[in-house]
Amino acid sequence: QSALTQPPSASGSPGQSVTISCTGTSSDVGGYNYVSWYQQHPGKAPKLMIYEVSKRPSGVPDRFSGSKSGNTASLTVSGLQAEDEADYYCSSYAGSNNVFGTGTKVTVL
Amino acid sequence: EVQLVESGGGLVQPGGSLRLSCAASGFTFSGNAIHWVRQAPGKGLEYVSGISGNGLTTYYASAVQGRFTISRDTSKNTVYLQMDSLRTEDMAVYYCAKNPPGKNNACDIWGQGTMVTVSS
Repeated sequence: QSALTQPPSASGSPGQSVTISCTGTSSDVGGYNYVSWYQQHPGKAPKLMIYEVSKRPSGVPDRFSGSKSGNTASLTVSGLQAEDEADYYCSSYAGSNNVFGTGTKVTVL
Repeated sequence: EVQLVESGGGLVQPGGSLRLSCAASGFTFSGNAIHWVRQAPGKGLEYVSGISGNGLTTYYASAVQGRFTISRDTSKNTVYLQMDSLRTEDMAVYYCAKNPPGKNNACDIWGQGTMVTVSS
């Protein structure tokens, strides 16, 4: 199974928005509405931010939103804050297991 | 408190075996799928294996299929990952995470991770 493709890095100033893409195939991202996004700070375990494409777990700010079109999913972080600086990974169900994206480092300028 | 605690990591030679444990507390164990995800030093997340809440369905990444075996013991609220024929590329921090019922591909609670080092 190949990893989903994400841009290595993204950045924005405080208060701005940043969007991260996650490109897969019709066998994973395009085939199921089971895309999730995780935030990981250095040395910490991942944290679930979005699941099933656009649903937010309790406690996750509504500044985080997800969407999908075809084989590409996206995570948008609006109103960037310093604490949003982290690595972000997408994940998709792929029929017999799950697959993760390559990861994107978000920098708050 | 909802919690997952991994243990069993350590140093093993190539070709050796190791069994990881993921002890759960604070939630209904049998209702949640449990997954293992690993992260090599300085690298991204990689899916390893998973087991359904009732233990009847298991999932494996192609990279570990045939070498790793996942199982769960409801009496001990613990999931195990038996890792055989270990390779240097298996060296990573191994996290376990739970996926609640009714939600798909949504690991909402993660353990702190346990390090597996494969080296001669």
